[in-house]
Amino acid sequence: DGGITQSPKYLFRKEGQNVTLSCEQNLNHDAMYWYRQDPGQGLRLIYYSQIVNDFQKGDIAEGYSVSREKKESFPLTVTSAQKNPTAFYLCASLTNEGTEAFFGQGTRLTVV
Amino acid sequence: AQKVTQAQTEISVVEKEDVTLDCVYETRDTTYYLFWYKQPPSGELVFLIRRNSFDEQNEISGRYSWNFQKSTSSFNFTITASQVVDSAVYFCAPLKGFQKLVFGTGTRLLVSP
Repeated sequence: DGGITQSPKYLFRKEGQNVTLSCEQNLNHDAMYWYRQDPGQGLRLIYYSQIVNDFQKGDIAEGYSVSREKKESFPLTVTSAQKNPTAFYLCASLTNEGTEAFFGQGTRLTVV
Repeated sequence: AQKVTQAQTEISVVEKEDVTLDCVYETRDTTYYLFWYKQPPSGELVFLIRRNSFDEQNEISGRYSWNFQKSTSSFNFTITASQVVDSAVYFCAPLKGFQKLVFGTGTRLLVSP
């Protein structure tokens, strides 16, 4: 079945460590997105990519980095420069017609 | 740039009541899509509906209905005869082509038995 897979579901890291969140899709979608959600808050766009080897900053890109070497994969690295990394992270991809966004199940990152 | 306002932070209703979720958006584009998504406690977003900006015909699908008014940039969503399973956070979002997909802050709906 086609879809988006985020792994792991829960992730714990020590403060000061970089951590990479995985996002894989087999829907053949060109555009992919990363969002951050804090408790009781909405979705804030971190980075997005409209095509392989290209990506743009969203509204809260500081402290994060991404790569898009393959169409299927859009990993997000949370660097030590991110002041408050503990949050719920959602990955999405958009149909090539721009008609629907599909979401992964999310990764809950806790930094201790 | 696109901006979405969902002024209702949280709504509490009793089962079987009707409830309307408001969404007001700003966009410079003349043609675009509008979406509503539902986020249950599990966290994954579930697609509910998409509307084209040039189609202002309102629609009813089961207990859900939508009221789109381009003149006021509003895209409201109504649940008729709400159920406990409708409890979730609901997000509205406009999209033009493949530009960044920006969501509103969401409205938390609590339906009590």
